[in-house]
Amino acid sequence: GQQLNQSPQSMFIQEGEDVSMNCTSSSIFNTWLWYKQDPGEGPVLLIALYKAGELTSNGRLTAQFGITRKDSFLNISASIPSDVGIYFCAGPFSGNTPLVFGKGTRLSVIA
Amino acid sequence: DAGITQSPRHKVTETGTPVTLRCHQTENHRYMYWYRQDPGHGLRLIHYSYGVKDTDKGEVSDGYSVSRSKTEDFLLTLESATSSQTSVYFCAISRQVKGYNEQFFGPGTRLTVL
Repeated sequence: GQQLNQSPQSMFIQEGEDVSMNCTSSSIFNTWLWYKQDPGEGPVLLIALYKAGELTSNGRLTAQFGITRKDSFLNISASIPSDVGIYFCAGPFSGNTPLVFGKGTRLSVIA
Repeated sequence: DAGITQSPRHKVTETGTPVTLRCHQTENHRYMYWYRQDPGHGLRLIHYSYGVKDTDKGEVSDGYSVSRSKTEDFLLTLESATSSQTSVYFCAISRQVKGYNEQFFGPGTRLTVL
């Protein structure tokens, strides 16, 4: 099936550092969504992107919709311990189709 | 909070037994989804529903059936559970935003099949 490729698979960073992760697809997406999952919880929507080139922020998080519409980036500035979790990218291939998810980037923050 | 609850939250069962997981929503959303989450695989779609009695298969539907007899409830059934169905199961609903669906997830059900 169609896939989203997320990288890196995991990251260990020091508290206060900035983090960058990305998601790529072989197909064009019209929407990119970024989710975070805390241990033992369901994924929570962080940011949604709707236009190629769009740059959207949510607090210390910034996400960009790539110009080619085949990639997206998520940056976290000045990481803190509660940023720990798994970050997923997702997108629908058309308006009402179910989302396809990447396999996630597991973030660990060392205090 | 999208008003989604899942029950049970944890279940241990034996191979060959039937299991039904329930997803309940309070906001009258048309679309509902069942995913499973396993290490190394992320979230994979099992089945979804686009209305009462309207359902369709997802990527990993073998061994699972679903039913939606009313808008607020979406049931996932394992007719005869197998150890490979040990997983965490998430229900989700979607809201239409700018013509595209944004999905919101329930808290999950951890199922262990012995």
